[in-house]
Amino acid sequence: NAGVTQTPKFRILKIGQSMTLQCTQDMNHNYMYWYRQDPGMGLKLIYYSVGAGITDKGEVPNGYNVSRSTTEDFPLRLELAAPSQTSVYFCASSYRHRRQETQYFGPGTRLLVL
Amino acid sequence: AQSVTQPDIHITVSEGASLELRCNYSYGATPYLFWYVQSPGQGLQLLLKYFSGDTLVQGIKGFEAEFKRSQSSFNLRKPSVHWSDAAEYFCAVGALNRDNYGQNFVFGPGTRLSVLP
Repeated sequence: NAGVTQTPKFRILKIGQSMTLQCTQDMNHNYMYWYRQDPGMGLKLIYYSVGAGITDKGEVPNGYNVSRSTTEDFPLRLELAAPSQTSVYFCASSYRHRRQETQYFGPGTRLLVL
Repeated sequence: AQSVTQPDIHITVSEGASLELRCNYSYGATPYLFWYVQSPGQGLQLLLKYFSGDTLVQGIKGFEAEFKRSQSSFNLRKPSVHWSDAAEYFCAVGALNRDNYGQNFVFGPGTRLSVLP
């Protein structure tokens, strides 16, 4: 299993540009998450999904959109990039067993908005 | 809502010395607790987790953590640190959403570990 994969690894955007961060998992996990990591701030949840066709907002959803058309893929869309979105983005997936859940993370996408 | 604090932003230890990283949480019920490690430029790797049962949990790479309900703590320990342990360590708390869909995972701000030769 490749686990959780993310593309691209690094991207520079100009203010106002749009892009999609890709996330794919091959573990057949129902739950998927997008986080952003800012220095000294830990991880903040942007969006999450409990299954194909179901998504919900996390703590910091403004400026982002997601979709979940398949179990494997959970892309994150930035429509109008802003400098405040400069961050490292992590995708995670998880499974639940008897209400217990463990998250597995991708390697991250480093985004710089200038 | 749950919260997590990691009181130490940066810790430096000598190789071979023992290590303890502190984690305190706030949550009204029994939490699910996790420790992750992040090497520079890498994603987060799960070290260990606590769901229930034995309060002393063994993880990978020789790490262990102890859940102390009375202190709302889940401190990470290692008896002898190796240079390769230099990384950022994150404590996380998971709790079921109100609708029982998924979990709210809240991460602490992280503790950066430096190891002296």
